[in-house]
Amino acid sequence: QKEVEQDPGPLSVPEGAIVSLNCTYSNSAFQYFMWYRQYSRKGPELLMYTYSSGNKEDGRFTAQVDKSSKYISLFIRDSQPSDSATYLCAMNKETSGSRLTFGEGTQLTVNP
Amino acid sequence: DTAVSQTPKYLVTQMGNDKSIKCEQNLGHDTMYWYKQDSKKFLKIMFSYNNKELIINETVPNRFSPKSPDKAHLNLHINSLELGDSAVYFCASSQAPNEQYFGPGTRLTVT
Repeated sequence: QKEVEQDPGPLSVPEGAIVSLNCTYSNSAFQYFMWYRQYSRKGPELLMYTYSSGNKEDGRFTAQVDKSSKYISLFIRDSQPSDSATYLCAMNKETSGSRLTFGEGTQLTVNP
Repeated sequence: DTAVSQTPKYLVTQMGNDKSIKCEQNLGHDTMYWYKQDSKKFLKIMFSYNNKELIINETVPNRFSPKSPDKAHLNLHINSLELGDSAVYFCASSQAPNEQYFGPGTRLTVT
């Protein structure tokens, strides 16, 4: 069983929709949770970073962590065609230094 | 003003050959990484160096050998290339472990 599960999609939504992207994980030692965005044929770029449980908002993006359910989410409000990309969740344990564990990514298309 | 750069961007080679990929970062970060992304987009860490010292060495065939001449550079040498080595290889760097900055990737195709 993978430590981090993420539905690969593809997910297709109309412009302006609210998008919900999710990951589940099995290891309760994960403390740090990240979302990366990867455009086609580009490197991943860090979007959001949260520590432990709670919400974090940055513009149209909101990251949520529910450690009791081992579930994290990324919400995109008022989605734009430029949001079309693959979204990867990543996690880190307190003791693992810089060893991130990634989900396999969800491919999102926002249609104009 | 590129933060993390890699060369080459594309690499097509035959089985059995030896090839190298170079990475440079101008962010002043202490830690650099090599990741492999397979055709299903799954991103897996291979190696990490902190100030030229190897700190992460995942279960990777010993045909793969990283080398860090200084903290701004991390190269990856691959011997005796196999078909299964075809993937996109990403270099990344960070100062804080959870904020990693990725390069544009090197798309390796082994024929």
